[in-house]
Amino acid sequence: DQQVKQNSPSLSVQEGRISILNCDYTNSMFDYFLWYKKYPAEGPTFLISISSIKDKNEDGRFTVFLNKSAKHLSLHIVPSQPGDSAVYFCAASAKSYTGNQFYFGTGTSLTVIP
Amino acid sequence: EAGVVQSPRYKIIEKKQPVAFWCNPISGHNTLYWYRQNLGQGPELLIRYENEEAVDDSQLPKDRFSAERLKGVDSTLKIQPAELGDSAVYLCASSFVTQETQYFGPGTRLLVL
Repeated sequence: DQQVKQNSPSLSVQEGRISILNCDYTNSMFDYFLWYKKYPAEGPTFLISISSIKDKNEDGRFTVFLNKSAKHLSLHIVPSQPGDSAVYFCAASAKSYTGNQFYFGTGTSLTVIP
Repeated sequence: EAGVVQSPRYKIIEKKQPVAFWCNPISGHNTLYWYRQNLGQGPELLIRYENEEAVDDSQLPKDRFSAERLKGVDSTLKIQPAELGDSAVYLCASSFVTQETQYFGPGTRLLVL
């Protein structure tokens, strides 16, 4: 049962344009959402996060948007750079009696073409 | 500040052999996670520790997998005996108890032949 879904396995974008990565979730109890970036042979690196009480969080070229009614979030990268080429994972967390539980999507491979 | 350290980075073993992975979390991080990531998939939680206590091991295949976190700092994940389907990347992550963000190590890539 995949609670966090990234339906686009891959995305190609021209350098300087906007990259939009999408993520859908099913569990309404999720209250915190994160994006991780992963280069080959490395572990995922935290990129940006958003609390469920917000609908937008911005950090430099990266902006995450949250639409709770649609159970959808997206990551915008503007402008895209070749160094942004990586696999991006969406993650969501929910509180449980044992603490925070995290669920990850299957990832979207972004290629930024110079 | 040093990040999460994992060793070894790569391991190739024959099926039915034992294997162990080691993780040292970021200093001061009380929560430690072990994940398994199969090719083309996202990380899936195996076990989560709060200090030395395993608070969530519901996804750990206990017939062959074991883990420990003595003294609430570094941790070891063991597989005995390994099966072909255990080939994956094993990721360790850590966070402060009250912080949402996890920080990952580079992972151990396991190949079982």
